Amino acid sequence: GQQVMQIPQYQHVQEGEDFTTYCNSSTTLSNIQWYKQRPGGHPVFLIQLVKSGEVKKQKRLTFQFGEAKKNSSLHITATQTTDVGTYFCAGPTGSGNKLVFGAGTILRVKS
Amino acid sequence: KAGVTQTPRYLIKTRGQQVTLSCSPISGHRSVSWYQQTPGQGLQFLFEYFSETQRNKGNFPGRFSGRQFSNSRSEMNVSTLELGDSALYLCASSLAGRNTEAFFGQGTRLTVV
Repeated sequence: GQQVMQIPQYQHVQEGEDFTTYCNSSTTLSNIQWYKQRPGGHPVFLIQLVKSGEVKKQKRLTFQFGEAKKNSSLHITATQTTDVGTYFCAGPTGSGNKLVFGAGTILRVKS
Repeated sequence: KAGVTQTPRYLIKTRGQQVTLSCSPISGHRSVSWYQQTPGQGLQFLFEYFSETQRNKGNFPGRFSGRQFSNSRSEMNVSTLELGDSALYLCASSLAGRNTEAFFGQGTRLTVV
């Protein structure tokens, strides 16, 4: 079945440093979604990318969808302590709203 | 508008028992999906219900089942609980379409002892 790989598993950065997490799907995706889960919380939708080569920005967050629609990345510029959490990518599979999630990247920010 | 509501928030059950978890989606959302989250396996899809019908199913044993009511509220049931069923169970509601964003509830933390 479809698999979504995500790296790195864990990243610990100094506040102000940049952070990037990468996502790779075993199959072409119709879209890719990104979620953030704070410690003790639940996943919260960040963004959805649909078009090949699409780039979207949300303040310090930049999301990219690869040309082949099989990979994606999330880049955070100048991390802050509020960025702490686990970032997941997710790709739809089959009909409906079934999502296959990457394993997530845990981000820790040291102030 | 109100978010996704899951009850109960915490649950402790004994191995062999059965449990029912409840999810009330956002008003107007007709698709409800369930996920199991564990440290080792991450977020795993259980099933999705849409208009009272199971639209998608994950790779979980038959002990895991669900249903959806006419008001879109959903329940999932796990029978003959095993220690490995201890996890955070998350419900997500979405609009009726396909590949739409998921709004997650706060989850039910199930501990099997």
